[in-house]
Amino acid sequence: GAGVSQSPSNKVTEKGKDVELRCDPISGHTALYWYRQSLGQGLEFLIYFQGNSAPDKSGLPSDRFSAERTGGSVSTLTIQRTQQEDSAVYLCASSLTGTTSYEQYFGPGTRLTVT
Amino acid sequence: AQTVTQSQPEMSVQEAETVTLSCTYDTSESDYYLFWYKQPPSRQMILVIRQEAYKQQNATENRFSVNFQKAAKSFSLKISDSQLGDAAMYFCAYLNYGGATNKLIFGTGTLLAVQP
Repeated sequence: GAGVSQSPSNKVTEKGKDVELRCDPISGHTALYWYRQSLGQGLEFLIYFQGNSAPDKSGLPSDRFSAERTGGSVSTLTIQRTQQEDSAVYLCASSLTGTTSYEQYFGPGTRLTVT
Repeated sequence: AQTVTQSQPEMSVQEAETVTLSCTYDTSESDYYLFWYKQPPSRQMILVIRQEAYKQQNATENRFSVNFQKAAKSFSLKISDSQLGDAAMYFCAYLNYGGATNKLIFGTGTLLAVQP
């Protein structure tokens, strides 16, 4: 079956603009994660969705970042008023729950460049 | 808070040889998972191997195996018969399941070069 997909693959935006990044998880996976990978900070957790439960937003770096997940499937990460420090690769992952493997499967990421 | 440390920023191995990548972690939990992920230049994170903390037996996946030392909080990855396609960044990751969030905590990575 298809893996996790993300779009766009690359995004260049001007400082101050808003951007939306999309993640389509593996069909049937109820858990969805967003991570950020940057040179200075490494790989860091941003937000976690599990089914219909309230998301865990504890990793979001500022209130300019938000995410939603519609219908328990596709997720959108929105960054408002982008700053140069937001430049990074944004990775989405999904996993099954109710199993014992806890394996997370990643998408190819979106490289965001803020100029 | 849990932390993961990879002390080798770069490693190099000859094709067909064996290489071991190191990882240590810090946690006060007893139930957790450990993973190794591979990230080639394509950026796609690929799961290499998984180890459950409650299992004493070391995990093995084909040419990849781990040496899991729970008391020492050590989790190294051994790659046997290295191939050119093994060249990538390798990340060690920790997951404490059962909490509110099954988030992965990553190390800083080891860049593996494979010499022909």
